[in-house]
Amino acid sequence: DAGVIQSPRHEVTEMGQEVTLRCKPISGHDYLFWYRQTMMRGLELLIYFNNNVPIDDSGMPEDRFSAKMPNASFSTLKIQPSEPRDSAVYFCASSPYPTFGETQYFGPGTRLLVL
Amino acid sequence: AQSVTQPDIHITVSEGASLELRCNYSYGATPYLFWYVQSPGQGLQLLLKYFSGDTLVQGIKGFEAEFKRSQSSFNLRKPSVHWSDAAEYFCAVARMDSSYKLIFGSGTRLLVRP
Repeated sequence: DAGVIQSPRHEVTEMGQEVTLRCKPISGHDYLFWYRQTMMRGLELLIYFNNNVPIDDSGMPEDRFSAKMPNASFSTLKIQPSEPRDSAVYFCASSPYPTFGETQYFGPGTRLLVL
Repeated sequence: AQSVTQPDIHITVSEGASLELRCNYSYGATPYLFWYVQSPGQGLQLLLKYFSGDTLVQGIKGFEAEFKRSQSSFNLRKPSVHWSDAAEYFCAVARMDSSYKLIFGSGTRLLVRP
């Protein structure tokens, strides 16, 4: 398997623009997670899905952020409008159906810079 | 609420020396514990995990960790560090319920002297 795939790997945009980050989970994994990593706040869970349904979005910072999972093989994280403080590395991770101790597999991340 | 503390922001060791990275957690019951490694520009890779059984857990790349309930610790160790081990290491705790939330520590950056 190719692992979790994220695109783009790097994104530079201007404040106010819409940004869409994409993720393809590992085939057969029923759970998908979006994380944000910054120097100030470390790794934070933004939202996660089970079988394409959002389960917990309590980590989404504000209404400018939205995430969708239209099918089992694709998810997006959208920021509209983007702001400089959104600059971070965004990771997608996936995990198989839960049994105790199952691992999350991380993608390489998307490094976002908002000018 | 669960939390994870990694008290060392940076650690520098010489190649061939032993390594111990500290991790303390706060959780009301026995947690699931993980160590991940992040190389520059890369995603996180799982080194090892603990959720029950033997408190000494072996992982990949020669790493091991020991769960000590009395100290609420899950320290990562390696007997002989290689230059390729230079990376950032994250300890994480997950809840023992149906939630899949991982709570990460702030990370420890390992530098290896030649």
